[in-house]
Amino acid sequence: AQRVTQPEKLLSVFKGAPVELKCNYSYSGSPELFWYVQYSRQRLQLLLRHISRESIKGFTADLNKGETSFHLKKPFAQEEDSAMYYCAHGSSNTGKLIFGQGTTLQVKP
Amino acid sequence: DAEITQSPRHKITETGRQVTLACHQTWNHNNMFWYRQDLGHGLRLIHYSYGVQDTNKGEVSDGYSVSRSNTEDLPLTLESAASSQTSVYFCASSDVAGPTGELFFGEGSRLTVL
Repeated sequence: AQRVTQPEKLLSVFKGAPVELKCNYSYSGSPELFWYVQYSRQRLQLLLRHISRESIKGFTADLNKGETSFHLKKPFAQEEDSAMYYCAHGSSNTGKLIFGQGTTLQVKP
Repeated sequence: DAEITQSPRHKITETGRQVTLACHQTWNHNNMFWYRQDLGHGLRLIHYSYGVQDTNKGEVSDGYSVSRSNTEDLPLTLESAASSQTSVYFCASSDVAGPTGELFFGEGSRLTVL
């Protein structure tokens, strides 16, 4: 079954520390992977997607098909990065876009 | 500006009542989605539509229905509300065919079933 797993409910780091939010997906084929972010009192919005291979707000994510992972990384966390982060997997085979359980990132001063 | 709006933003209802949450987008997107957000479960797909008269079941569709009579709207109906349906509901739309485009989300509708 198509599934996205984010093992950490909460990740708490200090400002300036590196951050890695984990995401694993279970469905093979040709996946489309995304990271969405929800800042306090704002709408859910796209942060980045694997196909664009961009760095957004200092975040990067690499698709590893061998490990079926799409971890989100940032070398130096900022307080404004505090938010809920969702990994999502879209499959043309199933026709569905499925989200993970979400990880709350808390960046302490 | 084009956008996606949900109404009502907050709703309290009683068990057994029918509830409809509205979703309206002005981007002329073909694809529309409904998700529910719950602690520990994240966002779960309820129903989705890839065009007028097209509707599909998601991960947690039992107890919910949708209809797509035009491009702009995808109302979500709870036929007989249950306490387990207390949640925050998000509508989203995208303009890329299938589940691979960027989603644009509404602000959410918080539903409480007593």
